[in-house]
Amino acid sequence: QLQLQESGPGLVKPSETLSLTCTVSGDSISSNNFYWGCVRQPPGKGLEWIGSIYYSGSTYYNPSLKSRVTISVDTSKNQFSLKLTSVTAADTAVYYCARHVRVGATCFDYWGQGTLVTVSS
Amino acid sequence: EIVMTQSPATLSVSPGERATLSCRASQSVSSNLAWYQQKPGQAPRLLIYGASTRATGIPARFSGSGSGTEFTLTISSLQSEDFAVYYCQQYNNWPPQLTFGGGTKVEIK
Repeated sequence: QLQLQESGPGLVKPSETLSLTCTVSGDSISSNNFYWGCVRQPPGKGLEWIGSIYYSGSTYYNPSLKSRVTISVDTSKNQFSLKLTSVTAADTAVYYCARHVRVGATCFDYWGQGTLVTVSS
Repeated sequence: EIVMTQSPATLSVSPGERATLSCRASQSVSSNLAWYQQKPGQAPRLLIYGASTRATGIPARFSGSGSGTEFTLTISSLQSEDFAVYYCQQYNNWPPQLTFGGGTKVEIK
């Protein structure tokens, strides 16, 4: 059974960089068929796609966050990571890791449990 | 950018009744639309993809329809476990982009 687990600091100071690691178990992150994505959800609000990465390193980002986001992959550890720079209170959210297919029905079929990241001094 | 608009924001329904949720795209997304269910404190769960295909393990009371810009999620007879927030998501312009709707909360009337 595929599992995704988010890890990282729960508190980040304004203007600093938010870092999150997603660990994949139960399948190889190097699968040809899937992208690995990050989705966030501010408290009481809806879902926002942040970006996605393929095991080769190919990435796509939400244009509204593109200037501040980097997603990277470490196939040796079966992990991918999110970095979001220059954070503000508006970046406070539950951050999810999720998987979606590379082509075809590009919807998220497996999700991590999510981790709350609060931006505050 | 394709904008996804869901209505209503909140839907009050009695158990056993039918719930009809709408999702509209700002431009055609063909049938490249998914629906998710999210309960408090949980990650979203995939219900429907391809506008009308149920994901693995999803009960038959959930059905999706529509194409182009107008989509509907119908829950034929609401069970207690169905009270949740539902999101649509388009993937027609992937890559490079994926977009969620703002969600509809289905609450007990």
